[in-house]
Amino acid sequence: EVQLVESGGGLVQPGRSLRLSCAASGFTFDDYAMHWVRQAPGKGLEWVSGISWNSGSTGYADSVKGRFTISRDNAKNSLYLQMNSLRAEDTALYYCAKDTGYNWNYGNAFDIWGQGTMVTVSS
Amino acid sequence: QSALTQPASVSGSPGQSITISCTGTSSDVGGYNYVSWYQQHPGKAPKLMIYDVSKRPSGVSNRFSGSKSGNTASLTISGLQAEDEADYYCSSYTSSSTVFGTGTKVTVL
Repeated sequence: EVQLVESGGGLVQPGRSLRLSCAASGFTFDDYAMHWVRQAPGKGLEWVSGISWNSGSTGYADSVKGRFTISRDNAKNSLYLQMNSLRAEDTALYYCAKDTGYNWNYGNAFDIWGQGTMVTVSS
Repeated sequence: QSALTQPASVSGSPGQSITISCTGTSSDVGGYNYVSWYQQHPGKAPKLMIYDVSKRPSGVSNRFSGSKSGNTASLTISGLQAEDEADYYCSSYTSSSTVFGTGTKVTVL
């Protein structure tokens, strides 16, 4: 079964850090680009970051650039998001999503999604 | 990158057809044939319904179709069914990111 399972979310104080993980199964992980997409409570979808199949290229939304870092370990079929200097506006459900292609910045259609992990930034 | 503009809500009776618009700019929707549409039921993850403007992934009903004209993309749902009631989001490739639409709530009357 094709599956993405996120973990690592929780309650964190403003200015602190958190690392999200996404475990992939049921497909050849290192053939595809991967992304993080977030959704604030009651709000719409917001693309956060993408990474190409071989980690050779990454991209970030302006709202997280310089604070978040995306990475992947193809040997472990895993995607990560290191989130530093967290702000209240980063509070959201964070989804891991599989691209239909191997480059994060080409086409950008997301055909497999996890169930998300909730990040709450509050003092 | 500003969000693409979608109507907040669209409604229709069972069996009818509805169309959801998604308006961007020449830097996103109008510049590339890489528009996708996602369906999201409450409490669930989004599901890809259309990609590359008009292509349907395997398993998606042919009642869903996509098109584009200039800076505006559209999703049409024909033969509306109760299970189609959900939020729908468009997205577009840009040269440096992906931008999503504001979302449309579809109500089946």
